[in-house]
Amino acid sequence: GAVVSQHPSWVICKSGTSVKIECRSLDFQATTMFWYRQFPKQSLMLMATSNEGSKATYEQGVEKDKFLINHASLTLSTLTVTSAHPEDSSFYICSARDRTNEKLFFGSGTQLSVL
Amino acid sequence: KQEVTQIPAALSVPEGENLVLNCSFTDSAIYNLQWFRQDPGKGLTSLLLIQSSQREQTSGRLNASLDKSSGRSTLYIAASQPGDSATYLCAVLKAAGNKLTFGGGTRVLVKP
Repeated sequence: GAVVSQHPSWVICKSGTSVKIECRSLDFQATTMFWYRQFPKQSLMLMATSNEGSKATYEQGVEKDKFLINHASLTLSTLTVTSAHPEDSSFYICSARDRTNEKLFFGSGTQLSVL
Repeated sequence: KQEVTQIPAALSVPEGENLVLNCSFTDSAIYNLQWFRQDPGKGLTSLLLIQSSQREQTSGRLNASLDKSSGRSTLYIAASQPGDSATYLCAVLKAAGNKLTFGGGTRVLVKP
């Protein structure tokens, strides 16, 4: 079946540093990828929609300058958390939509801890 | 704005008992509804997907029903096992839209 690889699976960083999370569709092309954030015991919240070759669309309340999204190819999207702070500590999950059948597949998530 | 609610938020049952998880949504104009499983610190695993034109889907011990007019879906898990312990999320995809809206999830614990 289709696989979405998300890397790293966990990261610990100091406050003020930037962290990049990668999301790759391994055996299909994804024109659209989604980035979600999940706080403990809460549901997934959509942060932004990433379309290949164009600027990402951010949900209300999500700072685009803080959460930089790049979707430069049909198989890779990246989320960069810039100048991370402890309140950015969360579980981040990406999903990718297969352009041939519109199905959505999810990455395994990245646990970010900012000290 | 679509809102998805899952009740109960948590559920604990003895092994062998059937599980009933509820999901309700406010806007019936959906393209499909999916049920996912999430283990702690892990990503999502898709369990069942029901198109808006369907009434139910079955996979092994899992059965999901959809009543679009009343904005409800129910996930049944028969003869629960400790390995079924996880958080179960339902999500709806808007018609003519791209975004999945997730419910808050139901945390399930199946005791041996």
